[in-house]
Amino acid sequence: QLHLQESGPGLVKPSQTLSLTCTVSGGSISSGNFFWTWIRQPAGKGLEWIGHDSATGNNNYNPSLKSRVTTSVDASKNLFSLSLSSLTAADTAVYYCARGEHGGVFDYWGQGILVTVSS
Amino acid sequence: DIQMSQSPSSLSASVGDRVTITCRASQSINNYLNWYQKKPGKAPQLLIYAAFSLQGGVPSRFSGSGSGTDFTLTISSLQPEDFATYYCQQGHSSPYTFGLGTKLEIK
Repeated sequence: QLHLQESGPGLVKPSQTLSLTCTVSGGSISSGNFFWTWIRQPAGKGLEWIGHDSATGNNNYNPSLKSRVTTSVDASKNLFSLSLSSLTAADTAVYYCARGEHGGVFDYWGQGILVTVSS
Repeated sequence: DIQMSQSPSSLSASVGDRVTITCRASQSINNYLNWYQKKPGKAPQLLIYAAFSLQGGVPSRFSGSGSGTDFTLTISSLQPEDFATYYCQQGHSSPYTFGLGTKLEIK
């Protein structure tokens, strides 16, 4: 059974860069054609797809965030990461990592991490 | 971006009821439509993918239908553990987008 776990700071200051990591256990991040995905949900709002990366470096980002997002996959450590720059209060949300398959299906999710952007 | 709309936004029902939630895409997405269940403080759980395929381990009382722009999620006989928020999501083209959710509450 695949397990994903987000880690990172719970509080970040405006204008700073958020860095989150998702550690994958129970399977290799390099096996199969999967898209290692980030999704977020601001309080009281809907889910927003941030983007994804793959073990072969195939990435794709939401155009609304593309200028501020960087992702990477570290196969040696079986984890993937998200970097989101120039933070504002609007970036306050629960951030989820997930495994994506063909057809944009997100079949395994982490528990989520609440990130608050505040001075 | 493809816009996803869900109705109703909230729904009150009783254990044993049959419930249907609808989802509409702003353009045809063929059958690239997925359904998730979300409970407070928990990660979303995939229920249905590709419009009607049941994810492994999901009870058979959940079913999906539709294609093109109009889709439905049906719960045939509500159980206490089904009270949650349900989201549809299109996987046809990026950016992948979600509906705003349907909150299913106990009557």
